[in-house]
Amino acid sequence: AQSVTQLGSHVSVSEGALVLLRCNYSSSVPPYLFWYVQYPNQGLQLLLKYTSAATLVKGINGFEAEFKKSETSFHLTKPSAHMSDAAEYFCAVRTQTGANNLFFGTGTRLTVIP
Amino acid sequence: ETGVTQSPTHLIKTRGQQVTLRCSSQSGHNTVSWYQQALGQGPQFIFQYYREEENGRGNFPPRFSGLQFPNYSSELNVNALELDDSALYLCASSPPGTSSTGELFFGEGSRLTVL
Repeated sequence: AQSVTQLGSHVSVSEGALVLLRCNYSSSVPPYLFWYVQYPNQGLQLLLKYTSAATLVKGINGFEAEFKKSETSFHLTKPSAHMSDAAEYFCAVRTQTGANNLFFGTGTRLTVIP
Repeated sequence: ETGVTQSPTHLIKTRGQQVTLRCSSQSGHNTVSWYQQALGQGPQFIFQYYREEENGRGNFPPRFSGLQFPNYSSELNVNALELDDSALYLCASSPPGTSSTGELFFGEGSRLTVL
């Protein structure tokens, strides 16, 4: 079975500060991992994905994430937060074989303080 | 390129009624998935359609059903609505070739309120 755990339902950072959103996964087989962002009253937009190529993945809007198998983690980072980064962020996992549905975490709401 | 579109955007129903939600997939996408996102939660997989047939289902009762049409658009039907069905229903499509990596393209959702 696959699942993800997002540590911290709410994270607040100052504008210009480092953003770190945590995600740990559980998967009995090699996973594909994703980060999606959801702005208020909108659907989900893909930020980045890990598909077993490079372990450091760069996405849109300056975000990146590193796949660490030993820690079963896929934390999302951005060096400098911008006001427009305020949103809900979801980590998701699926297996590399079999059904291609995604299992999402419960989300982390990012607040950026001016 | 037109993205995934869903209708209606908002609707209110009463317990016991039935609802149909509609989704037009992004151009060139042949696979459609539906997710339920309850307030404060992450999306949960309902089912997926490929070539007009259900191709995977999550832990949802049979009163949740769907269709996919030859133009790859899709419907989600929910019968005998319950209060707990109140949620944002998200449709996602994916093109041929990405099924191996699972990248999904989401619509903005249909928010259902059951009173």
